[in-house]
Amino acid sequence: DIQMTQSPSSLSASVGDRVTLTCRASQSISTSLNWYQQKPGKAPKLLIFAASSLQSGVPSRFSGGGSGTDFTLTISTLQPEDSATYYCQQTYISPPWTFGQGTKVEI
Amino acid sequence: QVQLQESGPGLVKPSQTLSLTCTVSSGSVSNGIYYWSWIRQPAGKGLEWIGRMHPGGSTIYNPSLKSRVTISVDTSQNQFSLRLTSVTAADTAVYYCAREGSSGSGSYSPILDYWGQGAPVTVSS
Repeated sequence: DIQMTQSPSSLSASVGDRVTLTCRASQSISTSLNWYQQKPGKAPKLLIFAASSLQSGVPSRFSGGGSGTDFTLTISTLQPEDSATYYCQQTYISPPWTFGQGTKVEI
Repeated sequence: QVQLQESGPGLVKPSQTLSLTCTVSSGSVSNGIYYWSWIRQPAGKGLEWIGRMHPGGSTIYNPSLKSRVTISVDTSQNQFSLRLTSVTAADTAVYYCAREGSSGSGSYSPILDYWGQGAPVTVSS
């Protein structure tokens, strides 16, 4: 299986900050990478698909980048409602799909 | 707007079988462009993909659970189900059902675009 490693495991930032989360795959996955946001007690919500495409309805302050093994999720101007845990997910070729362990963002 | 809702026992005894159902509304499980998936999350931990089923009958399971898991679809009830046998405390988690579709960006690019709210299951005697 493809292993996904996220860093940092948690971070604390202020409203208005620019934050970047990192996700690394154990092998090249092209751009087969999605990002999800999960708030406590809620299901994950898709933010970014195919590494850099913004899901409909997601604020434009979220952006994704990368290809191969290294990927980033950037929040350009952190808002209070962005406090959550963020997960990357690889969807390269065929299942099993795997997720990173998550990055918890505290405001 | 598609909605998914998990249902089933919240407590299962060790060695028994965990059974959950996901009811889909405002969408059809018979739609062949989607897969119907299960994901779980132990308390305070990350997400684990369990498996998926296509309404045409094909299934793929996580190798770590393959010997114990079955996903099935009931098109008459517009539901799909998860069965996990021989459970232990390690299977205690919130179980989510989700729809897998394609982002539509050319080739098949899987996304989990709709999720249920999650069903907590505890394995304990």
